Amino acid sequence: DIQMAQSPSSLSAFVGDKVTITCRPSQSVATYLNWYHQEPGKVPKLLIYVASSLQQGVPSRFTGSGSGTHFTLTISSLQPEDVGTYYCQQSYETPYTFGQGTKVEIK
Amino acid sequence: QVQLVESGGGVVQPGGSLRLSCAASGFAINKFGMHWVRQIPGKGLEWVTFIRFDGNTWYADAVQGRFTISMDNADNTVHLQMTSLRPEDTAMYYCAKAAPMAVAGSGTFDVWGRGLMVIVSS
Repeated sequence: DIQMAQSPSSLSAFVGDKVTITCRPSQSVATYLNWYHQEPGKVPKLLIYVASSLQQGVPSRFTGSGSGTHFTLTISSLQPEDVGTYYCQQSYETPYTFGQGTKVEIK
Repeated sequence: QVQLVESGGGVVQPGGSLRLSCAASGFAINKFGMHWVRQIPGKGLEWVTFIRFDGNTWYADAVQGRFTISMDNADNTVHLQMTSLRPEDTAMYYCAKAAPMAVAGSGTFDVWGRGLMVIVSS
């Protein structure tokens, strides 16, 4: 199975800050890497697919990049509604696997 | 409007069975395929199973041989038959639509249901 290592496990930042989350698969997944956001008590929501494509309706402050075994999710200007947990997920092969999550809070 | 509504969760004893259903609207499940993903409260996400638009299926090792995913095209509903349930199967179960294969790959979950809780306990 492909293991997904996400970092950091949690972060706290001010509104307006730039935030970066990293995901490192244990083997290459090409660009088959997705990012999800789960607000507290809510359903996960797709943000970015195939590494850098923005899902319809997702604000442009979210950017994904990377390929192979190194990916990043960047929030250019953190907003209060961005709190919650972010997960990376590889869709390269089954079993599809997720990172352990990055919890984002507002300072 | 694309929507997924799950039903069938609840409490079951270890070794018991449960059938979850996920009714889709706004799209045809046999054009995309459907997944089940679970989450232990307070923990991360775990992919469980996938049924492709052509009926082929894949399972996580943890549920292989115990869970069966199926598709009812007439009702536009996907089912998850769970047998030999264990306490470690206790989780919130989400059904999720597979993204268009040509756009994002079938292993991308672009629409999620609200989820339902399965508790395996004596």
